[in-house]
Amino acid sequence: QKEVEQNSGPLSVPEGAIASLNCTYSDRGSQSFFWYRQYSGKSPELIMFIYSNGDKEDGRFTAQLNKASQYVSLLIRDSQPSDSATYLCAVPRIIQGAQKLVFGQGTRLTINP
Amino acid sequence: NAGVMQNPRHLVRRRGQEARLRCSPMKGHSHVYWYRQLPEEGLKFMVYLQKENIIDESGMPKERFSAEFPKEGPSILRIQQVVRGDSAAYFCASSPMRDGTGNTIYFGEGSWLTVV
Repeated sequence: QKEVEQNSGPLSVPEGAIASLNCTYSDRGSQSFFWYRQYSGKSPELIMFIYSNGDKEDGRFTAQLNKASQYVSLLIRDSQPSDSATYLCAVPRIIQGAQKLVFGQGTRLTINP
Repeated sequence: NAGVMQNPRHLVRRRGQEARLRCSPMKGHSHVYWYRQLPEEGLKFMVYLQKENIIDESGMPKERFSAEFPKEGPSILRIQQVVRGDSAAYFCASSPMRDGTGNTIYFGEGSWLTVV
C-alpha cells in the first residue's frame, strides 16, 4: 500500500460546478496534510493545509480531514477553467528529526467551459 | 526577496553524459530538499541537505546520483552517465528550519532533464 494515494484522473468537471479531489494515507499517526496545485510545466504551489478533523475553508477551497478514515479531500467550489491543473496531496514524514513531504501521484483536473 | 533559484531550467543530455543541476535556496534558508518528478507521477523525495551535510539521502538511487550543499554556493545534484529513465523534472525546495513541511518549504521552478 502506498503511503499517500490519489486517483490519477483525469477528472473532468463543468465550469461552475464543485470539483472533489480525494486522498487516502496509510500512517494513522499523520498529523498534517497539504494540498498543492501544479500547472503543467510548473512547480507545485501550496494552496491548503489542514491539521484538525473537519473542514477548513479558504475562499473557494475547502479541505476536509477524517483521521478515523485516513481520508483527506479538497473541494473547489464554482470551478473555473484556471483551476485546471494537477492537484497533489502531501503528508510530512519525520526523518532524523526533520520533516520531508511524501506526495501522492496527483489528480489531473480539467474544468470544461 | 528572490525565491528558490534553479538552473538550468531545461537540460538535454545524451546517454552516458553527466548532468549537473544547481539550486540556490532562498536567502536565509540553510535546508535544501531535492525531489524528482517522473512524467505523469507525483514528486518523490530524493535527498535532504544542510550546509556541508547530507542529512537524509534515502530517496537517492544507489548509483550515479550524488548531491552536495557546500558552505559557499548552490546545492548541486549530479547525475553521472545519464540514461533515458533519468528524464524527469527535478525540483529543489528550501526551508529556513528543520521542519520542512508544506507551509515552510518553498519550491523552485524546477529543472527539466531530457536524455536523448
